[in-house]
Amino acid sequence: SQQGEEDPQALSIQEGENATMNCSYKTSINNLQWYRQNSGRGLVHLILIRSNEREKHSGRLRVTLDTSKKSSSLLITASRAADTASYFCATDGAGGTSYGKLTFGQGTILTVHP
Amino acid sequence: KAGVTQTPRYLIKTRGQQVTLSCSPISGHRSVSWYQQTPGQGLQFLFEYFSETQRNKGNFPGRFSGRQFSNSRSEMNVSTLELGDSALYLCASIPGGRSTDTQYFGPGTRLTVL
Repeated sequence: SQQGEEDPQALSIQEGENATMNCSYKTSINNLQWYRQNSGRGLVHLILIRSNEREKHSGRLRVTLDTSKKSSSLLITASRAADTASYFCATDGAGGTSYGKLTFGQGTILTVHP
Repeated sequence: KAGVTQTPRYLIKTRGQQVTLSCSPISGHRSVSWYQQTPGQGLQFLFEYFSETQRNKGNFPGRFSGRQFSNSRSEMNVSTLELGDSALYLCASIPGGRSTDTQYFGPGTRLTVL
């Protein structure tokens, strides 16, 4: 079963606009990661935020984490057509014993129109 | 460094057959995780291997099994295939085997069961 929900399920925007995706999870975590997937291919790692961090930036990406609300958001600024993909959040389990197990959200399908 | 390699990329089998998928992790990485991705269930964790030992297993029937070799390469096997096993199978390469490590995914093997 999935860890939580991603919101929205689908997002359609124009090039140059910002895209915001939200993720909620259910259990305590060590880290939360965001991945991108292009049309049924492999997952590409975007960014990892640790449970003791509140915000992290990487290029056009900004991730926030609110552990009290068990939620995270991914902001992509100045979107490009090449950003069209599915975006997933993934959490590990706190305690260090969930070896290799990431629990994924259902994903947000982002479409960026040229 | 070369990325994660998965073979074959596409596979068509019939019900009742068995299948073996292969994954070669990034050189130097010691742990491998496997995931199944379907439209209905999303991304689900199958199992994780570190130093040839399975340390974690997801909620899948015993028909799903795997192993890891001394060079960190991993295989997963599905016996007595069912239609519902049609999915994208993703392998992730993990550097140090810690539950908090970033996972780097391969392109996946698309399995179709007829």
